[in-house]
Amino acid sequence: GAGVSQSPRYKVAKRGQDVALRCDPISGHVSLFWYQQALGQGPEFLTYFQNEAQLDKSGLPSDRFFAERPEGSVSTLKIQRTQQEDSAVYLCASSPPVGLGEKLFFGSGTQLSVL
Amino acid sequence: DQQVKQNSPSLSVQEGRISILNCDYTNSMFDYFLWYKKYPAEGPTFLISISSIKDKNEDGRFTVFLNKSAKHLSLHIVPSQPGDSAVYFCAALNTGTASKLTFGTGTRLQVTL
Repeated sequence: GAGVSQSPRYKVAKRGQDVALRCDPISGHVSLFWYQQALGQGPEFLTYFQNEAQLDKSGLPSDRFFAERPEGSVSTLKIQRTQQEDSAVYLCASSPPVGLGEKLFFGSGTQLSVL
Repeated sequence: DQQVKQNSPSLSVQEGRISILNCDYTNSMFDYFLWYKKYPAEGPTFLISISSIKDKNEDGRFTVFLNKSAKHLSLHIVPSQPGDSAVYFCAALNTGTASKLTFGTGTRLQVTL
């Protein structure tokens, strides 16, 4: 596809439910990032992959959050036993090997609401 | 600990006038700064950037100024157009780590006719 694709666009979960959010990066993009954007806040870094290797997961808020990118392309962010404070927009971004933030392309996000 | 701050949540400017959006940072390890623009229901898109070795970068109607000693940067939009109405995020990067951007909380710009 032409851009970063995220699915589902919206997700409503009951507290305690597990959810999985999908990201399809731009073809050929080596780096993939997940960000969490709470209402009225800026995006906050969660985790970073280079190809299939998860190089930085320092932003994951708890061990309920898990991300994977097994074949170096599609990535999944999984949240176990969701809590109300997990409600946010989850943004995925990808970038080619060369360049800094100007090469970062974001998807439209998945809006997660935990009831 | 908010390392990148945008103290103005919103700004309203008349079409044709200058829009000035401000950003402050606290981490002296940041050496690369970016502005992103975000429309509703879309992801942020890159607008303009500046390295810490410069104090100004210009791209068409958009200019970013960096004052390292004050740890302050600003985005100027001249002339402002209705299509510029969006949320603008300031972001900072430590190119030594280069793995993650730290974003501010955003400023909502409304350009009125």
